[in-house]
Amino acid sequence: DGGITQSPKYLFRKEGQNVTLSCEQNLNHDAMYWYRQDPGQGLRLIYYSQIVNDFQKGDIAEGYSVSREKKESFPLTVTSAQKNPTAFYLCASSIDWGGVQETQYFGPGTRLLVL
Amino acid sequence: AQKITQTQPGMFVQEKEAVTLDCTYDTSDQSYGLFWYKQPSSGEMIFLIYQGSYDEQNATEGRYSLNFQKARKSANLVISASQLGDSAMYFCAMREGQGSARQLTFGSGTQLTVLP
Repeated sequence: DGGITQSPKYLFRKEGQNVTLSCEQNLNHDAMYWYRQDPGQGLRLIYYSQIVNDFQKGDIAEGYSVSREKKESFPLTVTSAQKNPTAFYLCASSIDWGGVQETQYFGPGTRLLVL
Repeated sequence: AQKITQTQPGMFVQEKEAVTLDCTYDTSDQSYGLFWYKQPSSGEMIFLIYQGSYDEQNATEGRYSLNFQKARKSANLVISASQLGDSAMYFCAMREGQGSARQLTFGSGTQLTVLP
């Protein structure tokens, strides 16, 4: 079955530590996205990538980094510079033909907690 | 200014009844798309329905329909014959046509509870 997988489901970070969240898709989608969700709020875009080896900052990119070495994979690193990383992180992908009707499909999410 | 506004933090509906979740949006683009997603307690965002700014008919998908009033800039989700499994958070989102960004802009959501 095609879909998006995220791991781990829960992640704990110590002060000063970098952690990496995994996102893999087998939908053959070109575009991938990372969103952050805080309690009681909607999603905010961290980074997105339309093609391998290229990515763009979203609204809240500070303290995060990404890579896109393979079409299927778009890992997100939460660096020690992100002072308030506790949140729910959602990865999404889409075909990316550029139309407004393009639907983004989401993975199950990773909940990051700071120890 | 908020681009997507959902004014109902929480809603209750009796099982088998219909419910309308409100969404208003703000954009100066002529071409845009409006989406509704469902987020159960498990966290995954599930795509429900899409409405394009040029679509003349209201979108429908099974028990979901979208009441699109372009002049009022509203895109309300109507769920008919509510089921207990419909209890979840519902988000309205918009994608605008201008610019290279591909992001969806989300509202703050409405928590729907279906009562037996």
